Amino acid sequence: TQLLEQSPQFLSIQEGENLTVYCNSSSVFSSLQWYRQEPGEGPVLLVTVVTGGEVKKLKRLTFQFGDARKDSSLHITAAQTGDTGLYLCAGATPTNAGKSTFGDGTTLTVKP
Amino acid sequence: EPEVTQTPSHQVTQMGQEVILRCVPISNHLYFYWYRQILGQKVEFLVSFYNNEISEKSEIFDDQFSVERPDGSNFTLKIRSTKLEDSAMYFCASSDRVLGEQYFGPGTRLTVT
Repeated sequence: TQLLEQSPQFLSIQEGENLTVYCNSSSVFSSLQWYRQEPGEGPVLLVTVVTGGEVKKLKRLTFQFGDARKDSSLHITAAQTGDTGLYLCAGATPTNAGKSTFGDGTTLTVKP
Repeated sequence: EPEVTQTPSHQVTQMGQEVILRCVPISNHLYFYWYRQILGQKVEFLVSFYNNEISEKSEIFDDQFSVERPDGSNFTLKIRSTKLEDSAMYFCASSDRVLGEQYFGPGTRLTVT
């Protein structure tokens, strides 16, 4: 069973601060996705990373895939109250390409 | 922008009844998925479907569950005899390729009483 561990589980910061959340596993992933989920809604895809060491930027969000493709991070610069939400990572391994495993998520609260 | 749609948004059923949850994936996508999320818990993979057959399924997806693509647009999840523990949000997702980005629908909240 592939497990994705996300940390921290909860994060509360002030608007304008920077933050990083992590997604770690002992398994190698062929691809890894980051999603954001609002209460009562489906996950919304933010980014997919597939290459070890890959860095992708989406405005104030920077995503990095570890060199060994076992971990990933999401860094938010100058957080805004609109960034509040549940951030999920999910990945598929080479032997289970059709099956995505989700982490437990990091609940981010950005206070004004 | 194309999106995945799901109906109904909320389904209430009695224990032992059959339910069918419906999804319309993005039209040019070929890979389809069902996930569930019990309240307060993580999103759990149920099944993936490609070329009219199941590609992968989890331990959760037992004989009580089945999936079907009855026509060119719908993708359904059937639970034959619902149990209380089947109460959850069920999300459908689709992708245009294996390992591609999965786009999720808004979910169906299933409540089994």
